Amino acid sequence: DQQVKQNSPSLSVQEGRISILNCDYTNSMFDYFLWYKKYPAEGPTFLISISSIKDKNEDGRFTVFLNKSAKHLSLHIVPSQPGDSAVYFCAASAEYGGSQGNLIFGKGTKLSVKP
Amino acid sequence: DAGVTQSPTHLIKTRGQQVTLRCSPKSGHDTVSWYQQALGQGPQFIFQYYEEEERQRGNFPDRFSGHQFPNYSSELNVNALLLGDSALYLCASAAGAGTGELFFGEGSRLTVL
Repeated sequence: DQQVKQNSPSLSVQEGRISILNCDYTNSMFDYFLWYKKYPAEGPTFLISISSIKDKNEDGRFTVFLNKSAKHLSLHIVPSQPGDSAVYFCAASAEYGGSQGNLIFGKGTKLSVKP
Repeated sequence: DAGVTQSPTHLIKTRGQQVTLRCSPKSGHDTVSWYQQALGQGPQFIFQYYEEEERQRGNFPDRFSGHQFPNYSSELNVNALLLGDSALYLCASAAGAGTGELFFGEGSRLTVL
């Protein structure tokens, strides 16, 4: 029973365009959400997060949107660059302000940005 | 400043054997978490160590055990290996009793034959 779902295994986008990665969750106790990026042969690296008291968080080219009623979040990358090509993991925690150690991850979406 | 380092990077074991994986956290970090990432899946939380004690545990059997040393480094032990234990094992560290951002190592790739 997956609590965090990334239904698109892959996404291909042209350089300069917007990339939109989606994530759905089922556990209403989740109150902190994160996105991680993973390159081959490297560990995941933190990208951006959002707490349940917000519906949007922006950091440079990256924006995360949270729709609590739909239990849905999305990551927007604008403009997309070839270096953004990686696997993106959505993760959730029921411990806002507490430990980030126990994260529930989705299966990931592989983003390919073509020059 | 070294990040999270893990060893070994790759190893092959046979069913029934035991394995020990090692992790050194990022400098200044005191909390270590372990994750298992099977092929095509996202990382799955195994357990977290803080102050040399297991603070939280995911849905893994007792064959999975760990330890944290006074210098905050950690070991993951898996006994009686099964074919299904083949995976990438990721160590992540954080500061502030785990309230800070998680930093992941590159992982240890375990293959069980």
